[in-house]
Amino acid sequence: KQEVTQIPAALSVPEGENLVLNCSFTDSAIYNLQWFRQDPGKGLTSLLLIQSSQREQTSGRLNASLDKSSGRSTLYIAASQPGDSATYLCASGPGAGSYQLTFGKGTKLSVIP
Amino acid sequence: DTAVSQTPKYLVTQMGNDKSIKCEQNLGHDTMYWYKQDSKKFLKIMFSYNNKELIINETVPNRFSPKSPDKAHLNLHINSLELGDSAVYFCASSQNRGPGTFGSGTRLTVV
Repeated sequence: KQEVTQIPAALSVPEGENLVLNCSFTDSAIYNLQWFRQDPGKGLTSLLLIQSSQREQTSGRLNASLDKSSGRSTLYIAASQPGDSATYLCASGPGAGSYQLTFGKGTKLSVIP
Repeated sequence: DTAVSQTPKYLVTQMGNDKSIKCEQNLGHDTMYWYKQDSKKFLKIMFSYNNKELIINETVPNRFSPKSPDKAHLNLHINSLELGDSAVYFCASSQNRGPGTFGSGTRLTVV
């Protein structure tokens, strides 16, 4: 059974800092890994998807990496802004015989102006 | 156009009632899901439905039942609601094992 762990659970940084959010998963037989953002009381917004054959994906100030062999992914946020404050969720993609995502408990990020 | 839409957005009901949450996706995806986000904000899969194949998370009580009238809809029926069912329920869809697209959630409060 897949388990996804995110460290840290909460993070507070001053505006402008670069930061890294960590995600680890126990079963490396996944098709992809997805990072989401969730604002309070809102739904999930997909940020980046990394296919199992890829090492990283970039979108603007966000860069996500995937190391399947070690069961790790990181989300790098450059030059953080107060608008980046949200909970970031890592979700390991489906494996053989399944379709669903398995989520970590999230990292709550606060960017202080 | 909303890709995955759920109704209602908020649902307050008494214990023992039966309720339904509707979900529709206009992405042409072949797989739909229901996830539950508990009070600690932890998201867990409840059901996935692909080409009429239903996969149920074994921890989901049988008071919960998904119903799919067609490929674009996956509704969630809940019988005999309990206080512990209070949560936010998210519908999602994907094309096979591709990226998931989520609805905005339905906040269910059982009183």
